[in-house]
Amino acid sequence: NAGVTQTPKFQVLKTGQSMTLQCAQDMNHEYMSWYRQDPGMGLRLIHYSVGAGITDQGEVPNGYNVSRSTTEDFPLRLLSAAPSQTSVYFCASSYSSGGYEQYFGPGTRLTVT
Amino acid sequence: AQSVAQPEDQVNVAEGNPLTVKCTYSVSGNPYLFWYVQYPNRGLQFLLKYITGDNLVKGSYGFEAEFNKSQTSFHLKKPSALVSDSALYFCAVRGYILTGGGNKLTFGTGTQLKVEL
Repeated sequence: NAGVTQTPKFQVLKTGQSMTLQCAQDMNHEYMSWYRQDPGMGLRLIHYSVGAGITDQGEVPNGYNVSRSTTEDFPLRLLSAAPSQTSVYFCASSYSSGGYEQYFGPGTRLTVT
Repeated sequence: AQSVAQPEDQVNVAEGNPLTVKCTYSVSGNPYLFWYVQYPNRGLQFLLKYITGDNLVKGSYGFEAEFNKSQTSFHLKKPSALVSDSALYFCAVRGYILTGGGNKLTFGTGTQLKVEL
């Protein structure tokens, strides 16, 4: 099993550009989520999905879109990048929510200039 | 709303000494509690969790945590620290689904553990 994979590992964008961060898992997990990690702020939930076709907002959803057309994939779209979106982004998955631990991808380091 | 507090940004301990990383939480109803570890330039790795039952939970790499409902705490402990334990540690909480918080995992701000020789 590859676990949770994320691409790209690094990305530099100019303000106003759009892009999609890819996330895939091969564990048949129903629950997937996106977090951003900023110094001193821990991880903050952007969006999550409890199954294919079902998504919901987390703490900091503005400026980001998600969709979940398959169990395996959960891409995160930045609509119009802003310097405030400079961060490290992690995708995670788990069998379900509740008491199940999450498995994290290696992260994408995004810089917006 | 659920929340997690990790009051120490950094904990320093000598190798071989016991270590404690503190965590307190706030959630409606009974919590699911987790500890994760992050090594430099890596994703988070699961260490242990409390769901129900015994208040002392054992996890990976010799770590354990004690759930204290009255103090709403879930401190991470290890009897004898290793230099290789140096990393960033995150506590996280999730409420039960029926209370509305079950789908969202809330993380603390992290505690940097430094173990020195």
